[in-house]
Amino acid sequence: EVQLVESGGGLVKPGGSLRLSCAASGFTFSSYNMNWVRQAPGKGLEWVASISSTSSYIYYADSVKGRFTISRDNAKNSLYLQMNSLRAEDTAVYYCARVSGQLLSRDFDYWGQGSLVTVSS
Amino acid sequence: EIVMTQSPATLSVSPGERATLSCRASQSVSNNLAWYQQKAGQAPRLLIFGASTRATGIPARFSGSGSGTDFTLTISSLQSEDFAVYYCQQYNNWPPWTFGQGTKVEIK
Repeated sequence: EVQLVESGGGLVKPGGSLRLSCAASGFTFSSYNMNWVRQAPGKGLEWVASISSTSSYIYYADSVKGRFTISRDNAKNSLYLQMNSLRAEDTAVYYCARVSGQLLSRDFDYWGQGSLVTVSS
Repeated sequence: EIVMTQSPATLSVSPGERATLSCRASQSVSNNLAWYQQKAGQAPRLLIFGASTRATGIPARFSGSGSGTDFTLTISSLQSEDFAVYYCQQYNNWPPWTFGQGTKVEIK
C-alpha cells in the first residue's frame, strides 16, 4: 500500500525557518517524481515545488522561489521541504504528492495527510 | 501560466441526482487534465486523469470528458459520500502545475 506521511509542521514566527519531511513507503520511491502542494485555510490547492526521481530537475512556484528548497534522499525514501524566510501567507497545510508514471507531465496519484504550518508572531 | 477556472463555485444537488461540474483552461491543455475530490479535513484524492480515465477504485458513477480548454466532471447519481470539493488540475504546461479554485458539491 502506498503511504506518504508528512511531519515537521508547527508554529513559527515570521522570518523563521522550518523543514518538512515526507516518509514514503509501499512503492519504489527512487522511481517517482514528487511534489509539495499547499492549501491555505479555507482556500484551494497551490502547487509549491517539484523534484524529479534523481533530483536532476527541480521547479518552484514563483511565490516560494529563493526561500524554499525541495530535496530528497532516495536511500531513506524521504522527501523534504526546507522553508526559510517564512511569511504569514505561507500558512497552510502542506501535502506531499506523488506524480504517477515516470514523466512530470502526469497527475498526482497519491497524497499524504498533510502537515500544518502556521506563521504567526 | 495556464489559469484553470471552475464553475459553479457551489453546486446544490439532492442525493440520487446528477451533478455536472465544469473546468475551463485559459489555453489548450490537450487531455492532460485531472480531477480530484477533497472531503473536509482530508487530503485530495485522484478521481480522473487524462481527462476521462477513472483512477483505481473510483466508482463508475464518476466520469470525465473534454479536451483542449473545456472539461466536465459528471457524477451520475450522487451518493452521500460524494458531497465534497472537487478540483481540476492541468499538467500539460508546467511549471507551474495549476489547479482550479474548486467546486463545492453540497446537499440540497
